[in-house]
Amino acid sequence: DARVTQTPRHKVTEMGQEVTMRCQPILGHNTVFWYRQTMMQGLELLAYFRNRAPLDDSGMPKDRFSAEMPDATLATLKIQPSEPRDSAVYFCASGSLTVSSYNSPLHFGNGTRLTVT
Amino acid sequence: GENVEQHPSTLSVQEGDSAVIKCTYSDSASNYFPWYKQELGKGPQLIIDIRSNVGEKKDQRIAVTLNKTAKHFSLHITETQPEDSAVYFCAASRGTNQGAQKLVFGQGTRLTINP
Repeated sequence: DARVTQTPRHKVTEMGQEVTMRCQPILGHNTVFWYRQTMMQGLELLAYFRNRAPLDDSGMPKDRFSAEMPDATLATLKIQPSEPRDSAVYFCASGSLTVSSYNSPLHFGNGTRLTVT
Repeated sequence: GENVEQHPSTLSVQEGDSAVIKCTYSDSASNYFPWYKQELGKGPQLIIDIRSNVGEKKDQRIAVTLNKTAKHFSLHITETQPEDSAVYFCAASRGTNQGAQKLVFGQGTRLTINP
C-alpha cells in the first residue's frame, strides 16, 4: 500500500534552532504539497511543487522558511531560525496531476509534530 | 482567493443514525471538492471527492452532493458506526491546465458517534 512518508514524526527544539522536515512522496506522483495544521488556522498551504519545480510558496514566511525537492523521492521543509509560533503539525501530501486531470486526489503523510520552546 | 466555510464544527449522533456536514465556497471557478477524514495522530485521508460536472456521488455509506448554483456541497454518512468518529474536512480547488491546484480546506467537523 503506497503511502507518503514523513520524518521525523516528532521534533522538539529550542527557539533559534534550525529544523528540517523530510517527505518521501508516493513513487510516481508528480506534485508535492506542504501544509501546516494548527487549531487556530486549520490546514494552511505553505508550498507546492510540480515535477520538482516550485509552483507556489506564497503561504510560506520567506524570511525563515524554505522548501526544496532535491530529487523526485525527497521533499524538504526547513525553518531557520525557528520560533515558538512555528509550533504545529506539518503535513506533506503528494498527487498525480495529468493533462487530462487538472485536479488530483492528494495523499497525506502522518505529519511532523513540531514544538518550538 | 477561495474561502471555504464548514458547519457544524462539532456533531454528535447515535450509532446507526445519519450525519450531514455542509460546506460553502466562494470561488465559482472551483471545480474539485474532496472530503478528508482525519483520525488522531494521522494525516487527512481522502474518503470521497466530486467534480463540478457531477451533482452527486455515492460510495457505500458515504455520499456527497454538490450545488454549483448555490456554491455549497455536503457530506452524508448513513448507518453511522463508532469507527466513523473522526474530524472531517471539506476542501475546494480550481485546477487549471497550467498545473495550478490549491486545495483550500474548511475548518473541520469533529464527528462523534455515540454507541
